[in-house]
Amino acid sequence: DTGVSQDPRHKITKRGQNVTFRCDPISEHNRLYWYRQTLGQGPEFLTYFQNEAQLEKSRLLSDRFSAERPKGSFSTLEIQRTEQGDSAMYLCASSLGVQGALEETQYFGPGTRLLVL
Amino acid sequence: TQLLEQSPQFLSIQEGENLTVYCNSSSVFSSLQWYRQEPGEGPVLLVTVVTGGEVKKLKRLTFQFGDARKDSSLHITAAQTGDTGLYLCAGVRAGGTSYGKLTFGQGTILTVHP
Repeated sequence: DTGVSQDPRHKITKRGQNVTFRCDPISEHNRLYWYRQTLGQGPEFLTYFQNEAQLEKSRLLSDRFSAERPKGSFSTLEIQRTEQGDSAMYLCASSLGVQGALEETQYFGPGTRLLVL
Repeated sequence: TQLLEQSPQFLSIQEGENLTVYCNSSSVFSSLQWYRQEPGEGPVLLVTVVTGGEVKKLKRLTFQFGDARKDSSLHITAAQTGDTGLYLCAGVRAGGTSYGKLTFGQGTILTVHP
């Protein structure tokens, strides 16, 4: 399977603990996005990478959140000192972006469901 | 306030019926996409529309982009139980970023009963 993969699929943690999620995009996709989805809502944009450069961070991403994409391949999203409000599905998507193109297909991974107790 | 208002939020119909889901905004979008999401999985792209007034058909699904590129609709003809799922509209705002940052609607949970 050459789609976007995410690990772990589920994570249960206690409030105050740190967690890290990994996303492996489709090979050679230059763009990588992280979104967060809470129950009954559509996904919300968190951050965007063009290759290894993080070009945008949403205001939703507090100082407790950090994301990296070393070498422009896989990406990690870390949440420090987790809070109950962090409970959500964290989705990763990748695409082969072309500057100025109106159509860009983002391929989503299965998500990591986080539950903070 | 949602940038993309999707309605209805819930839809429960019998197999064979037709339905329409709406996605509205006061903002202009350079492109708009419709996704379907199964429980525990990520969204899967159904269609992308980029031109005002554009209509695209995918078997029993018909997608329309408004002339002003502020709204869109998804129409399903003769719904089947396999159509059950969460349908999401998402768009890239015009005049915004040069990349595909998506703004999503709240989603429509469709249940088709046999």
